[in-house]
Amino acid sequence: AIQMTQSPSSLSASVGDRVTITCRASQGIRNDLGWYQQKPGKAPKLLIYAASSLQSGVPSRFSGSRSGTDFTLTISSLQPEDFATYYCLQDYNYPRTFGQGTKVEIK
Amino acid sequence: QVRLQESGPGLVKPSGTLSLTCAVSGGSISSNNWWSWVRQPPGKGLEWIGEIYHSGSTNYNPSLKSRVTISVDKSRNQFSLNLSSVTAADTAVYYCAKVDTTMDLFDYWGQGTLVTVSS
Repeated sequence: AIQMTQSPSSLSASVGDRVTITCRASQGIRNDLGWYQQKPGKAPKLLIYAASSLQSGVPSRFSGSRSGTDFTLTISSLQPEDFATYYCLQDYNYPRTFGQGTKVEIK
Repeated sequence: QVRLQESGPGLVKPSGTLSLTCAVSGGSISSNNWWSWVRQPPGKGLEWIGEIYHSGSTNYNPSLKSRVTISVDKSRNQFSLNLSSVTAADTAVYYCAKVDTTMDLFDYWGQGTLVTVSS
């Protein structure tokens, strides 16, 4: 199975900060990666698909990029509603595998 | 807009079988989509369990494959999860989700249901 190594596991940031979260795939997965946001007690919400495409209705402060097997989710200016846990998910092959998650907390 | 709703027992005894159903509304389970199960142990990350197409074709996570069965009921527009020989490690929130055909990612999710394995 492809392993998705996500970092950091948690971070503290302030409103307005630029935040970067990374996922590294254990092998090449092309652009077959999505990013999800999960708030406590809620189902995950899709933010980014195909590594860098913004899902409909998602604010433009969220963006994704890829460099080889490294994938990055960037929040350009953190808003109060962005405090949550973020997960990457590879859909290159089976089994689908998630990163371990990054919890973004208020500083 | 597609909506998904999980249902089933919230408590299952060790060595028993966990059975959940996901009712789909606002769309047909016979559409060109895969339908999936994902779980999340309390305070931990997400794990993909498996998925099914309306034809009955399935894909399972090898880590659970020997214990998992996913089935579809087109007449009721729903799909189901059976997980056998459960232990406390199977305690989790179980989500059902729709896989978008174009993105090949989960775009619609149920609200999740907590299943506890305990005697």
